Amino acid sequence: QQQVKQSPQSLIVQKGGISIINCAYENTAFDYFPWYQQFPGKGPALLIAIRPDVSEKKEGRFTISFNKSAKQFSLHIMDSQPGDSATYFCAASTDGGGADGLTFGKGTHLIIQP
Amino acid sequence: DTAVSQTPKYLVTQMGNDKSIKCEQNLGHDTMYWYKQDSKKFLKIMFSYNNKELIINETVPNRFSPKSPDKAHLNLHINSLELGDSAVYFCASSLAQNGNTIYFGEGSWLTVV
Repeated sequence: QQQVKQSPQSLIVQKGGISIINCAYENTAFDYFPWYQQFPGKGPALLIAIRPDVSEKKEGRFTISFNKSAKQFSLHIMDSQPGDSATYFCAASTDGGGADGLTFGKGTHLIIQP
Repeated sequence: DTAVSQTPKYLVTQMGNDKSIKCEQNLGHDTMYWYKQDSKKFLKIMFSYNNKELIINETVPNRFSPKSPDKAHLNLHINSLELGDSAVYFCASSLAQNGNTIYFGEGSWLTVV
């Protein structure tokens, strides 16, 4: 049972373009939706997170858009840079960083071409 | 200083062996986790420990056992290793409060031959 579905599996974007990664969830009890960034050989690191009481959150070039009724959320990377090339994971949980941990999507391998 | 550190980073071992991966966090967190990342990079939670009490035990074979000597440590013991256990194992930690960040270690690459 995959509770968080992520797409696309891989994405190639030109430098300066907008990268968009989408996720959909099934469990309506989820109330915390982070995005993690993972570089090769490293552990995942929190990029940005949102709670369902807001529809959008922006931090620098990274924006989460959240649609509660559709049970979908997406990551937008503006002015994408080669240094953004990494694997991105959406995730969800019922209690943030608490005991239930995070349910992850399957990841998107993002390549930003110079 | 590394917030969540795990050792060893690389481990190659034969089928049937027993091995351990150690994890320590210096963030003062009270919840620690073990996640498994398979060859397709899918991350799945294995265990969660809160105040030395096991909270989650997903459908993980009982050959895997977490051991927490104190709040700052959560070790993973694996008995009778199988080929399918080859993966990257990530330790992580957080404060058991709503919305706090989960911090991951850099991973332990386990290869069973």
